[in-house]
Amino acid sequence: AQSVTQLDSQVPVFEEAPVELRCNYSSSVSVYLFWYVQYPNQGLQLLLKYLSGSTLVKGINGFEAEFNKSQTSFHLRKPSVHISDTAEYFCAARAGNNRKLIWGLGTSLAVNP
Amino acid sequence: GAGVSQTPSNKVTEKGKYVELRCDPISGHTALYWYRQSLGQGPEFLIYFQGTGAADDSGLPNDRFFAVRPEGSVSTLKIQRTERGDSAVYLCASSPGTAGADTQYFGPGTRLTVL
Repeated sequence: AQSVTQLDSQVPVFEEAPVELRCNYSSSVSVYLFWYVQYPNQGLQLLLKYLSGSTLVKGINGFEAEFNKSQTSFHLRKPSVHISDTAEYFCAARAGNNRKLIWGLGTSLAVNP
Repeated sequence: GAGVSQTPSNKVTEKGKYVELRCDPISGHTALYWYRQSLGQGPEFLIYFQGTGAADDSGLPNDRFFAVRPEGSVSTLKIQRTERGDSAVYLCASSPGTAGADTQYFGPGTRLTVL
């Protein structure tokens, strides 16, 4: 069965510090991987996605993620966070031709001054 | 261009009542998805339409839940005999549907509260 695990429910960090939000997946077939962000009282917004090709993908707002097949991971990183990055971050996966997204429980990123 | 829209933004109802939630996808998107997000959880898949037909309804929790997309655009999620456990944010997404790896774009959601 396919599953997505976000290893940290909450990540507090100071402004301008680097951050990594961890995501692991399990799937018996090839996967497509996504990170979405949900700002307070707003809808889900796509940050970045891995479909194929280069394992390092860059997204909006300075975020990037690296697909690691051997470790079944897709961790999200940003070298220097801003207060405005405070939000809930969700990792999601799709397996093969299956259209439904399987989601992690989310990681709440709190950026403090 | 216009994104996915959902109405109403909030719906409060009483246990046992019937509710309808509406989704307007991005124009031209052939695929439409419904998810449910409970407090503190990630979204949970409910149903996926390709055109007018439900291609995958494996996530619908029981027969009180039903969704339609009669003209291949707007979709309505219908919940009969609502229960307090149905309280959640119901999310709609759409995608171009032309390739296996296409991206889903989400609406703001409808927050359903069953008293």
